[in-house]
Amino acid sequence: KNQVEQSPQSLIILEGKNCTLQCNYTVSPFSNLRWYKQDTGRGPVSLTIMTFSENTKSNGRYTATLDADTKQSSLHITASQLSDSASYICVVSATPGGSYIPTFGRGTSLIVHP
Amino acid sequence: NAGVTQTPKFQVLKTGQSMTLQCAQDMNHNSMYWYRQDPGMGLRLIYYSASEGTTDKGEVPNGYNVSRLNKREFSLRLESAAPSQTSVYFCASNKGQDSPLHFGNGTRLTVT
Repeated sequence: KNQVEQSPQSLIILEGKNCTLQCNYTVSPFSNLRWYKQDTGRGPVSLTIMTFSENTKSNGRYTATLDADTKQSSLHITASQLSDSASYICVVSATPGGSYIPTFGRGTSLIVHP
Repeated sequence: NAGVTQTPKFQVLKTGQSMTLQCAQDMNHNSMYWYRQDPGMGLRLIYYSASEGTTDKGEVPNGYNVSRLNKREFSLRLESAAPSQTSVYFCASNKGQDSPLHFGNGTRLTVT
C-alpha cells in the first residue's frame, strides 16, 4: 500500500530560525514528489516538485531535497518568517496503469513565533 | 483569475438532509478532484474525474455521489448526510498527470 509519513507532526520555532521537515514514502512506481503549503482556512498551494533525477531544488527560502534510494525528502526553511506559519504537506505521485492519484502525507504544522 | 471556486463556504445540515457542493475552475484543466480533510487524517480522496465524462471512486467514496457537469464544473452530492461527514471539503483540479493540484478554499460542513 502506498504511504507517506511526515515528521514532526508539529513544530514551533522562533522567527529568523531555520527548520527542516521530513517526508518518508513507500509509493511505487515513483513519479514525483511535491511539497504543498496550506495556510489556515485556505486550500494547499504547491511549493516545489521533485522528480526522480533531482536531488535539490530551491524556491526562495524553501529548499527541498530528495533521496530516491532511501525514499526520503526534506523541506528546509531558511530565516523563518511569521508568514511561514502553516501546514506543510508532502504529496507523492505514482503512475499505476497510467492513472494519476497522488498519496498525501498528514502534514507538519509549523508555528513561527516572534 | 479566480482559479478554483467552491460554494458554499460554510454549511450546517441535520442528519438525513441532502445537499450539493459546487466546484468550478477557469483554468481549462482536464482533471478534477474532491477531497475531505479531517483533523489528524490529512486529505483523503473521495472521487475524481480524470477528464470530462468520466468519474472514479477514490479512497472514501461511501455516502457521496459526483457529477462532472462539463469541463469546468464538478459537483459533490451528499444524499443523506451523517455526522461522520462533518469535515472540510476541498475541490482541486489539474491539467493531468504530473501537474500540480490547484485547490479551492474549501467548504466547511457540519452535520448535527
